[in-house]
Amino acid sequence: DTEVTQTPKHLVMGMTNKKSLKCEQHMGHRAMYWYKQKAKKPPELMFVYSYEKLSINESVPSRFSPECPNSSLLNLHLHALQPEDSALYLCASSQSGTSNSPLHFGNGTRLTVT
Amino acid sequence: AQSVAQPEDQVNVAEGNPLTVKCTYSVSGNPYLFWYVQYPNRGLQFLLKYITGDNLVKGSYGFEAEFNKSQTSFHLKKPSALVSDSALYFCAVRDIRGTYKYIFGTGTRLKVLA
Repeated sequence: DTEVTQTPKHLVMGMTNKKSLKCEQHMGHRAMYWYKQKAKKPPELMFVYSYEKLSINESVPSRFSPECPNSSLLNLHLHALQPEDSALYLCASSQSGTSNSPLHFGNGTRLTVT
Repeated sequence: AQSVAQPEDQVNVAEGNPLTVKCTYSVSGNPYLFWYVQYPNRGLQFLLKYITGDNLVKGSYGFEAEFNKSQTSFHLKKPSALVSDSALYFCAVRDIRGTYKYIFGTGTRLKVLA
C-alpha cells in the first residue's frame, strides 16, 4: 500500500468545471510534487513545494493552480481545462529536495476532460 | 545537460530466466540514479538507488542494479523473472545541482512470459 494518498481516484470534468485534486502524506516529508503522466510515457514534473513554499513551476498553464496548506497536504486546483489535459496526475513526496531520498508516489488521479 | 536513456521500449523474457532492463546516463559529476516500477493504474514504486559505494545495488522484490561508470550504465537485473514482474520500468537520475528535479527515462515495458 502506498503511503501517499490521492483523491479522487477518477475524475471526469467538463471544460467549464472547477475541481480539485488532493494529496496527503504522513511520512514527515518536506518536499511534495505534482506530476502529469500520459499513457506509457514518463511522468512530467509540474510543481514542487519545499517546506510549504512553491519551489518549482515548470511553466504550467494557469488553469492548474497548486496549493500546499500544510506539510502533509497538497492540492491541485483545476479550472477551464482542455481535453488534452486528460492524464494521470501523480503526487509524490520526498524527505527533502536536497537529499538523495527517492520519490514516494501516490496511485494518482485519472482525469478525463470532456 | 543531464539525461538518461532506456534504449528498449519492450523486453520479453521467459519466466524463470534472468532479466535485464538497460539504462544509460549522461551527467556532469557523480550521478544519483534510481529505478522505479509502475504497474497498471498505479503510481511509480521505488525499487533501488545508487548514490555512492558498491557498484552492485540490491533493491526490492529481488531486483538489483549494476552501476558501471566507464560505460555510464545502470542496468536493472533479476536472476529469475516472475510473471508478476511484468510492468513498466523507469530509470531516473537526480539533478545534482540542488534542484528537486528527477529526470526520467522513457520507460521499458517488461513482459514476462509464462
